Amino acid sequence: GAVVSQHPSRVICKSGTSVKIECRSLDFQATTMFWYRQFPKQSLMLMATSNEGSKATYEQGVEKDKFLINHASLTLSTLTVTSAHPEDSSFYICSARGRGKEKLFFGSGTQLSVL
Amino acid sequence: DQQVKQNSPSLSVQEGRISILNCDYTNSMFDYFLWYKKYPAEGPTFLISISSIKDKNEDGRFTVFLNKSAKHLSLHIVPSQPGDSAVYFCAARMNYGGATNKLIFGTGTLLAVQP
Repeated sequence: GAVVSQHPSRVICKSGTSVKIECRSLDFQATTMFWYRQFPKQSLMLMATSNEGSKATYEQGVEKDKFLINHASLTLSTLTVTSAHPEDSSFYICSARGRGKEKLFFGSGTQLSVL
Repeated sequence: DQQVKQNSPSLSVQEGRISILNCDYTNSMFDYFLWYKKYPAEGPTFLISISSIKDKNEDGRFTVFLNKSAKHLSLHIVPSQPGDSAVYFCAARMNYGGATNKLIFGTGTLLAVQP
């Protein structure tokens, strides 16, 4: 199956710092990438959708100035959590889909812990 | 408003027996359903899917059944194996057209297959 690489897998940072998470599709062109967040024992919650070369579309309640998403190429999307606070601590997962494809392929996730 | 619901947070099954995971949805506009399997601290991996125009799809030990009138789908795993132990998410797609179709995930069911 298709491979999506997400990095880093775990990050611990101080409150107020910014954290960048990368998501790469290794063997296909990801025309659409999605960013999800999962709190313990809860579902995957979609944060935003990004199409290559255009601005991301954010879900209701997700601050676009706090969660900066860049999808500059067909193989790379980044999520930057700006001025992170402890309540931003969560498991962040990216997923990618190729043009005309139904299946989503997920990265391995990033566990963010903000102290 | 949880549009995709998995009412059983956990399920325990003996090895070799059948595992049945259930999922209910509320939105009749969903046109495609998927099941994902997730291990701790990893991203979900695609398992099996079904289009809303079908009522059954089978792939090896995995079969998904869709009952549109009841807005219910189920995943059958038979025979269950210890390696199947994981969290299973059902997901539903709303067809917006184009590249921005997004998936709505259920809350997941933790399956434990006992040797």
